[in-house]
Amino acid sequence: AQSVTQLGSHVSVSEGALVLLRCNYSSSVPPYLFWYVQYPNQGLQLLLKYTTGATLVKGINGFEAEFKKSETSFHLTKPSAHMSDAAEYFCAVSEGTGNQFYFGTGTSLTVIP
Amino acid sequence: NAGVTQTPKFQVLKTGQSMTLQCAQDMNHEYMSWYRQDPGMGLRLIHYSVGAGITDQGEVPNGYNVSRSTTEDFPLRLLSAAPSQTSVYFCASKKGQSYQPQHFGDGTRLSIL
Repeated sequence: AQSVTQLGSHVSVSEGALVLLRCNYSSSVPPYLFWYVQYPNQGLQLLLKYTTGATLVKGINGFEAEFKKSETSFHLTKPSAHMSDAAEYFCAVSEGTGNQFYFGTGTSLTVIP
Repeated sequence: NAGVTQTPKFQVLKTGQSMTLQCAQDMNHEYMSWYRQDPGMGLRLIHYSVGAGITDQGEVPNGYNVSRSTTEDFPLRLLSAAPSQTSVYFCASKKGQSYQPQHFGDGTRLSIL
């Protein structure tokens, strides 16, 4: 089974600072990679996805992530944090048939004014 | 667009009671799934379905039943609720292709006393 590791269950950044949320996965085959965001009392919304092709993918709200096969990583970044970015972020991986998604334990992002 | 609709949003049960969590999607998605979200554990897959009449177990299926009689609906049944099943439950759906992302409902918050 896949495993997904998100380093740092809580990350705090100042407004305007770089956001970096880390995700590493275990996979022996090319995976499909996703980042989701969850606001309080809501479901998960897709931020971005990597399936094939260009390894740097751009998502909504200014976020982007880079697939690095050699490092088995898919870190999420945003150049300048905004107060509205405060939320829980989940990295997810699927492979093969795509019938099973594996989620990390989540990173709670706090943005300090 | 309604997307994925879950009912109820909140529910309190007593140990031993049974209950069905409802999930409906209007996107004609072949794939549907149920997750539970617990603090510090991310989302864990309970059951999934790749089409009407087809269901399979995920990571934590014990204590839960599912059926898929139509493309639109995928109910989750708790036959005899236990306090360990206190959680937030999310239903999700996606197109059948392996690389497609999942679309999530807003969740059902379930407490078992």
